[in-house]
Amino acid sequence: NAGVMQNPRHLVRRRGQEARLRCSPMKGHSHVYWYRQLPEEGLKFMVYLQKENIIDESGMPKERFSAEFPKEGPSILRIQQVVRGDSAAYFCASSPFAGYEQYFGPGTRLTVT
Amino acid sequence: QKEVEQDPGPLSVPEGAIVSLNCTYSNSAFQYFMWYRQYSRKGPELLMYTYSSGNKEDGRFTAQVDKSSKYISLFIRDSQPSDSATYLCAMEGGSEKLVFGKGTKLTVNP
Repeated sequence: NAGVMQNPRHLVRRRGQEARLRCSPMKGHSHVYWYRQLPEEGLKFMVYLQKENIIDESGMPKERFSAEFPKEGPSILRIQQVVRGDSAAYFCASSPFAGYEQYFGPGTRLTVT
Repeated sequence: QKEVEQDPGPLSVPEGAIVSLNCTYSNSAFQYFMWYRQYSRKGPELLMYTYSSGNKEDGRFTAQVDKSSKYISLFIRDSQPSDSATYLCAMEGGSEKLVFGKGTKLTVNP
């Protein structure tokens, strides 16, 4: 059973460009969570999605960031007009049910130049 | 006061030592407590998942939760060089949002 998959693993963007991060949950998992890990900081919750629904986006910056989890295909975290402060590791986690363990992917390391 | 406090270390021990890692928290709503291990440049790997106060053992790992003191611990017995990693505590209070400590970096020296 493949684990949570994320791609790309590394992404370099210039300031002002868009970044798209993809997450395929574990088979049978319909709950997806995105977290961000800034240098020297702990993991911070960003958004919680189920298929076609955003359940909780209280950790998402109000502007430039959006997330979706369509009926078919991976979950996407989209960052528009990236700035240097967006440079971080972005992790996706999935679980089969609410209230169950969350399993993390390998992360996407975003570098904004 | 931060919701979850974790000493970042670093912590260096000889192979075979017993390692004790700890976190304190301030939010009494937290019900579920987890320990993750994260190797450098990798994703967090779930080690232990506990609910309510008490102990849970899995191989060389023991997780303890003391809700009255708002204190959780992870013990590693017979530590190995392969245990060298950053250990993250995490907790959740029914909202599905995990709140993490900053992590403790552990090195086990052969």
